[in-house]
Amino acid sequence: DTAVSQTPKYLVTQMGNDKSIKCEQNLGHDTMYWYKQDSKKFLKIMFSYNNKELIINETVPNRFSPKSPDKAHLNLHINSLELGDSAVYFCASSPAAVVNEKLFFGSGTQLSVL
Amino acid sequence: AQTVTQSQPEMSVQEAETVTLSCTYDTSESDYYLFWYKQPPSRQMILVIRQEAYKQQNATENRFSVNFQKAAKSFSLKISDSQLGDAAMYFCAYRSAFKGGSEKLVFGKGTKLTVNP
Repeated sequence: DTAVSQTPKYLVTQMGNDKSIKCEQNLGHDTMYWYKQDSKKFLKIMFSYNNKELIINETVPNRFSPKSPDKAHLNLHINSLELGDSAVYFCASSPAAVVNEKLFFGSGTQLSVL
Repeated sequence: AQTVTQSQPEMSVQEAETVTLSCTYDTSESDYYLFWYKQPPSRQMILVIRQEAYKQQNATENRFSVNFQKAAKSFSLKISDSQLGDAAMYFCAYRSAFKGGSEKLVFGKGTKLTVNP
């Protein structure tokens, strides 16, 4: 069973479109994250949710809107896509009670904006 | 804000030899955790090793070990007996131990490791 699954794996779309990436974890974790990995492989936090509540928002444009319907899901909706949004987006989760626990990552969604 | 620096964008090693990847970090916190993650071409992020800042003993996991120098804020990764499967991007990461604050991971920019047969 996949611990953190995100769909789709690949997403190719035109500028100006709206798209969503879904993420689900079956580990019972309280905290979920979205990271962006740019073309130079740099990984940067975008959002973090703890038990459906937003706790980290790292100055991401408001075209990006995370949605957490329950603590096992954290979806990412992107409006009016721009060329610079092309990147690999990783979902991750961790147990809130154990800070030294590793993050469990999904396999990433490669977004290409044409 | 914490920062993590990996000064080697690329490294290469011969199979069966040893290689050390460098990482330094900047923080004003006294308690934190440090990690090395491996990202092979499959894109999957795989935890290689972790270190608690309050532990003086360097962490080891089979062929992987770290040299943690808290005063110097240095956290290097040593890979012994390198194997072809070790070829990947390696990311050093920092995580605050302060709960309710920044449980996020702060990553370095990565080091691409090539293993030559």
